Amino acid sequence: DTAVSQTPKYLVTQMGNDKSIKCEQNLGHDTMYWYKQDSKKFLKIMFSYNNKELIINETVPNRFSPKSPDKAHLNLHINSLELGDSAVYFCASSPGLVEQFFGPGTRLTVL
Amino acid sequence: AQTVTQSQPEMSVQEAETVTLSCTYDTSESNYYLFWYKQPPSRQMILVIRQEAYKQQNATENRFSVNFQKAAKSFSLKISDSQLGDTAMYFCAFMKGYSGAGSYQLTFGKGTKLSVIP
Repeated sequence: DTAVSQTPKYLVTQMGNDKSIKCEQNLGHDTMYWYKQDSKKFLKIMFSYNNKELIINETVPNRFSPKSPDKAHLNLHINSLELGDSAVYFCASSPGLVEQFFGPGTRLTVL
Repeated sequence: AQTVTQSQPEMSVQEAETVTLSCTYDTSESNYYLFWYKQPPSRQMILVIRQEAYKQQNATENRFSVNFQKAAKSFSLKISDSQLGDTAMYFCAFMKGYSGAGSYQLTFGKGTKLSVIP
């Protein structure tokens, strides 16, 4: 009965590949997010979607493209992966100005 | 832009003792929210406590309480009766008040790694 789920939990891939991370929430929230946690544990917002509409797009390389097919899903597609993309990526959702519920994270390792 | 500073990269506390984690923030906003999130080794981000800036009363959740000093822009977390399960990274986070649908991004500090020693 997971509230926010992400697949896969671990992803190991070669430089230059294209990969996707999927996120689904069953909480009925309108807003979903992607955060990146680097090797020093620093968490930073990447994107925010509200009702399938992109609201926040922080300074992220355009190799990263979020896609929201519906309100319950926010996927992250990454083209031409680089070593520096290695991180843990968290999806989150919220109904608004309250707690954000985080997924379990996806650890991406680029070799 | 908002910044959140956690000046203690690592801390340790004996089981059953009390520990306080520091957090300061910088903002020109008058309406905002502050949070403490916990990230245990399992990697899951878990909300510990939340404070609305317009509330003068400090938030409390069981063994967790905050000392919110709005003028000083300080938001510390006190953990009483520390337990082994409290061992985790603790992140202080800031969120602006309403500024448009979907704009509820969290700005995080760099975290404090807390170890509870048996």
